[in-house]
Amino acid sequence: AQTVTQSQPEMSVQEAETVTLSCTYDTSENNYYLFWYKQPPSRQMILVIRQEAYKQQNATENRFSVNFQKAAKSFSLKISDSQLGDTAMYFCAFMKRLTGEGKLIFGQGTELSVKP
Amino acid sequence: GAVVSQHPSRVICKSGTSVKIECRSLDFQATTMFWYRQFPKKSLMLMATSNEGSKATYEQGVEKDKFLINHASLTLSTLTVTSAHPEDSSFYICSARDSFNSPFTHNQPQHFGDGTRLSIL
Repeated sequence: AQTVTQSQPEMSVQEAETVTLSCTYDTSENNYYLFWYKQPPSRQMILVIRQEAYKQQNATENRFSVNFQKAAKSFSLKISDSQLGDTAMYFCAFMKRLTGEGKLIFGQGTELSVKP
Repeated sequence: GAVVSQHPSRVICKSGTSVKIECRSLDFQATTMFWYRQFPKKSLMLMATSNEGSKATYEQGVEKDKFLINHASLTLSTLTVTSAHPEDSSFYICSARDSFNSPFTHNQPQHFGDGTRLSIL
């Protein structure tokens, strides 16, 4: 079975600074996807970034980037130039690649507060 | 992008009543739908997975007679909380995907509804 662990329940960062959220996972699969989701106070689930395990290059989406270490089973999210609108719960998630079901396994979440 | 509509967004009802929550995919065929429960500042806990035309698969510890799921069509799934009690109060979220176009529908693994806040008095 797959597990996803986020060991930082809460994080805070000053506006315009950089913050890194940690995520580790455990799986025996070789082909899979990893995601970071953002859940602001409105409770919407917003996909921030996606990483294919077979790609060595780290994914980047504007101010968001990941550090994917497959051997270490680590998948951290870096948010650069933090903005007040980045305040939210962040969830790391795992999905097997070769499955028709598409089940997501979520970590416990990290509550990020961006302070002015 | 794809849209999933979840209704109602909030419901308050008396203990003992049954509550139905609807989840609709508006611009794709949702062959698979997921129902999650979320407590404040906690993760999404998967309750069940349903595929259109077949029975839902419930996660361990979820009472199937308590949480009835009907994946009636390729665009609609419903979750009915039967004989609801205060401990059933929570935030419920649905998501949908087109498994025939796996792994992604409109570039996402699942499309989430906006959730339903259920309060049982």
